[in-house]
Amino acid sequence: GQSLEQPSEVTAVEGAIVQINCTYQTSGFYGLSWYQQHDGGAPTFLSYNALDGLEETGRFSSFLSRSDSYGYLLLQELQMKDSASYFCALLGGGGADGLTFGKGTHLIIQP
Amino acid sequence: DTGVSQDPRHKITKRGQNVTFRCDPISEHNRLYWYRQTLGQGPEFLTYFQNEAQLEKSRLLSDRFSAERPKGSFSTLEIQRTEQGDSAMYLCASNELDSTIVHEQFFGPGTRLTVL
Repeated sequence: GQSLEQPSEVTAVEGAIVQINCTYQTSGFYGLSWYQQHDGGAPTFLSYNALDGLEETGRFSSFLSRSDSYGYLLLQELQMKDSASYFCALLGGGGADGLTFGKGTHLIIQP
Repeated sequence: DTGVSQDPRHKITKRGQNVTFRCDPISEHNRLYWYRQTLGQGPEFLTYFQNEAQLEKSRLLSDRFSAERPKGSFSTLEIQRTEQGDSAMYLCASNELDSTIVHEQFFGPGTRLTVL
């Protein structure tokens, strides 16, 4: 099976930078995705890493190291609207094409 | 582009009743996924379709759950003989296999099921 671990909660200050880590166990996968979900809302796609290294999309960057079974999401210039839950998710693996999500990290932004 | 829609948004039912949810994906998307999410957890994959073919079912999907996508467009998820443990948000997502951005899934707003 597949499993992902991420911190349950992270607190940061508006305007700062925060990193949300994700470690995983799997026998194989296509890539690591990150999704954002506001309370009561639907998950929305943020970033995807198929290969090792850094992917940058505006204020958000994501990193993957397959050798370390580790990835992270980096959020810069934090805004109050970034307060949400962030999920790492493995795409594919074990013959599956669905996403396997972690339990999510609740990001709290303080003014 | 109207996005993924789900109906109903909320459903309250009594234990033992059957319920059916509908998902309308983004029109050109040939892949459709169902997930279940409980409070404080990440979404759990249930099943997915490519066009009308159901290609994969999670071991989480008991025999009381059945999903269909008869014409390769909208999909329905039926739960028979509901149990209190079925209470959750049921999310639908879609994407296009032939797209260069196949890894992104577009989620609908979900159907929140409460079993009394």
